[in-house]
Amino acid sequence: DVKVTQSSRYLVKRTGEKVFLECVQDMDHENMFWYRQDPGLGLRLIYFSYDVKMKEKGDIPEGYSVSREKKERFSLILESASTNQTSMYLCANSKSGGRETQYFGPGTRLLVL
Amino acid sequence: DAKTTQPPSMDCAEGRAANLPCNHSTISGNEYVYWYRQIHSQGPQYIIHGLKNNETNEMASLIITEDRKSSTLILPHATLRDTAVYYCIVLVLSGNTPLVFGKGTRLSVIA
Repeated sequence: DVKVTQSSRYLVKRTGEKVFLECVQDMDHENMFWYRQDPGLGLRLIYFSYDVKMKEKGDIPEGYSVSREKKERFSLILESASTNQTSMYLCANSKSGGRETQYFGPGTRLLVL
Repeated sequence: DAKTTQPPSMDCAEGRAANLPCNHSTISGNEYVYWYRQIHSQGPQYIIHGLKNNETNEMASLIITEDRKSSTLILPHATLRDTAVYYCIVLVLSGNTPLVFGKGTRLSVIA
């Protein structure tokens, strides 16, 4: 059974804290993605990576950075968390050349106080 | 820009077929139609995709009109567990450009 795991289901952080969200996949897929999902706004792409050490900005990269040191792991970093980063964060992955069929993790619901 | 239009919500009685429409009038010849769904508090789940022929798998059927400007996802016997937001997406099968999710249709299956 394919697996995409995210480090936490729920997280509460304070404004200004550095936050790490980790995603691990056991599918040996090249492409990995980070989205955030907010009511009324749907899914918005933050960053994606199509290979180790490669990264591309999505639609809303401001305030975020990413790290892809290993193929199976893609980390999203909030350098200094702010209240407007309170959201559901979703990680996904897909095969190279097949980014249309994405496999999503369960999500991390982050609350920044 | 999601390039698709879906009704914001629909209801369906349990055991009946759920027919979810999607308009994609600007679809180009090399773009596929993909459907995902998202059950509350879970990540999105791939359902089915097609180019111009109708498709069927264990989850659903996809009917694409001859002019390809619209499609319908059919869940033949909806259950309560099919209650979810359903997303219709059009995209080209190449490269690494990520998915663009619109607002989808919230399907409520009612007992």
